[in-house]
Amino acid sequence: GEEVAQTPKHLVRGEGQKAKLYCAPIKGHSYVFWYQQVLKNEFKFLISFQNENVFDETGMPKERFSAKCLPNSPCSLEIQATKLEDSAVYFCASSQGIQRYEQYFGPGTRLTVT
Amino acid sequence: ILNVEQSPQSLHVQEGDSTNFTCSFPSSNFYALHWYRWETAKSPEALFVMTLNGDEKKKGRISATLNTKEGYSYLYIKGSQPEDSATYLCAFINTNAGKSTFGDGTTLTVKP
Repeated sequence: GEEVAQTPKHLVRGEGQKAKLYCAPIKGHSYVFWYQQVLKNEFKFLISFQNENVFDETGMPKERFSAKCLPNSPCSLEIQATKLEDSAVYFCASSQGIQRYEQYFGPGTRLTVT
Repeated sequence: ILNVEQSPQSLHVQEGDSTNFTCSFPSSNFYALHWYRWETAKSPEALFVMTLNGDEKKKGRISATLNTKEGYSYLYIKGSQPEDSATYLCAFINTNAGKSTFGDGTTLTVKP
């Protein structure tokens, strides 16, 4: 598709429950990025993929966060045993490359942990 | 931790005014700088991708310059319109893995 699609739009989880978010990148884009927006304008890089390979995961909280991009499937970001501080909007972006290419952002998934 | 700073934090101008704001970033290990426009309840929209020292990019009334040696980029808006009201974010990339460090943004309000 011509837009990055993210599902669901909103997700509410009780503390300790699992949350799984999905992202379908623009067709033809090899790179996928996940960002966490906690405060108003604060975007935190989580992880990047080149096709199905993890490119940079230095932003990922190791214990509870995991992500995958498998062929012919939407990419996913999973949080095991959610905590209150995981409440945020999670944005996915895709691009054709790293340096010279724009990143196209999806609409985001708002995760609320209660 | 990389320090990417944007100033001012917010700006209120009248329609027709020209304005500019700054993004400061580390001058070492520069790979790329991206500017985004972000309206409330929408997703960030890419404005410019800047990669070379001295780059100047333009899109309509909006333009940007880049100085990688001193670590700053300016975004200019000529003749601001109410529809320019948004938060403008810059993102600094220092590796080929695309890890972006975002500034906190400049929120522009243009009054009719």
